[in-house]
Amino acid sequence: AQTVTQSQPEMSVQEAETVTLSCTYDTSESDYYLFWYKQPPSRQMILVIRQEAYKQQNATENRFSVNFQKAAKSFSLKISDSQLGDAAMYFCAYSGANTGNQFYFGTGTSLTVIP
Amino acid sequence: NAGVTQTPKFRVLKTGQSMTLLCAQDMNHEYMYWYRQDPGMGLRLIHYSVGEGTTAKGEVPDGYNVSRLKKQNFLLGLESAAPSQTSVYFCASSYLGVAFVAKNIQYFGAGTRLSVL
Repeated sequence: AQTVTQSQPEMSVQEAETVTLSCTYDTSESDYYLFWYKQPPSRQMILVIRQEAYKQQNATENRFSVNFQKAAKSFSLKISDSQLGDAAMYFCAYSGANTGNQFYFGTGTSLTVIP
Repeated sequence: NAGVTQTPKFRVLKTGQSMTLLCAQDMNHEYMYWYRQDPGMGLRLIHYSVGEGTTAKGEVPDGYNVSRLKKQNFLLGLESAAPSQTSVYFCASSYLGVAFVAKNIQYFGAGTRLSVL
């Protein structure tokens, strides 16, 4: 079974600074997707960014970017110019392209943004 | 466009009681899922459905049943609630088709907080 590991239960960053959240995964599949979801105190799960495994180029969405290292099975999220609204729990998730769209989530990283 | 709607948002049950959580999506998605979220454990898949009339077990299915009689609805049932089922429950749906932009993205409801006393 696929596993997703987030080794940082908590992280903090000063407002306007940059922070990187780590994620590693284990899979034998060659075609898959990786995601970062944000869960603010409202509990709503919000998609932040998505990466397709076959793409070598790292995905970016405004202030959010990833460092996807396929050989190392690593998928980190970089948040630039951190804002107070970025404070949330962040989940890394894996979905195999041919496994019925099942998602496997990491245990989450709680991000605090310090004013 | 409501997206994924879960009802109720909160519920308190006594041990042994039964209840049904309703999930409705208006995006015509084929796949639907039920997760539970517990502190320090992320989200774990309970059951999922790949289409109307079909369901399958996920990682933690024991104590739960599901039904998908209509494409837009996915019901999660607890026949005899136990304190170990105290959790936050999330429903999600995703798109099966070939449009790459939307494929494999899961859209979540706002969650249901369930307490079993």
